Amino acid sequence: DADVTQTPRNRITKTGKRIMLECSQTKGHDRMYWYRQDPGLGLRLIYYSFDVKDINKGEISDGYSVSRQAQAKFSLSLESAIPNQTALYFCATRDGTASTDTQYFGPGTRLTVL
Amino acid sequence: TQLLEQSPQFLSIQEGENLTVYCNSSSVFSSLQWYRQEPGEGPVLLVTVVTGGEVKKLKRLTFQFGDARKDSSLHITAAQPGDTGLYLCAGGSDGGSQGNLIFGKGTKLSVKP
Repeated sequence: DADVTQTPRNRITKTGKRIMLECSQTKGHDRMYWYRQDPGLGLRLIYYSFDVKDINKGEISDGYSVSRQAQAKFSLSLESAIPNQTALYFCATRDGTASTDTQYFGPGTRLTVL
Repeated sequence: TQLLEQSPQFLSIQEGENLTVYCNSSSVFSSLQWYRQEPGEGPVLLVTVVTGGEVKKLKRLTFQFGDARKDSSLHITAAQPGDTGLYLCAGGSDGGSQGNLIFGKGTKLSVKP
C-alpha cells in the first residue's frame, strides 16, 4: 500500500464551487505539505503543517485553506474555485526529526476548474 | 531568496546516449535531493546527498553534490526509454526556511527508442 495517498485523483468542477482535496499518510511523519504544480512554474508551496496545531502559509496560500485533522491527515480546501486554480496538487510528508529535509510525495490530484 | 536553477529545461535523446542534468544555486544547501516524476504521478525520491563532493550511484544514474554544496549534477549513462520523465532537484537548508525544500523547475527528459 502507498505511504501517502490522495483523494480524489481527478476532479472536474465549476467556478465558484467549494472543493476539498484529502491526503492521508501511514509513514508516521509529523510534517505535511500541500503543493501545486503548473507547467513551467514547478512545484509551489501552498500550506505546510509541522503538527496538528501548527499550520503555516506557503508562497501561494491565497484562495486556499487547510485542516490538519490528525497527524496522518491533511486536507486542502478551495473555498470558491476559479479557473486559474486548475493544476496538479500534491501532498507531501517529512519526518521532522530526520537529519535531512527529504519529503515524500503522494500521487497527486488533477483538478480542473471550468 | 534561495533559488535552484536547473538546466537544461528539456532534453530529447536517443536510447543509448549519455546525458547530464545540472542544478545550480548561489546558496549553500545542507542537503540536495533528486526526484523523478512520471506523467500523472507524484515525484519519487531517487537520492539524497548531504556531503560536499559526495557521489552516489544508482545503477546507471550518478549523482554528485558540489564541493561547496551549491550545485549538483545527475548523469545518466546509456539512457533507456524507461528513464523518460521529469527530473527535479530540491535543496534543503538544515532548518533555514523552516526546513522547507527549495525546488528547481525540472528537466523534462525524453528518451526515444
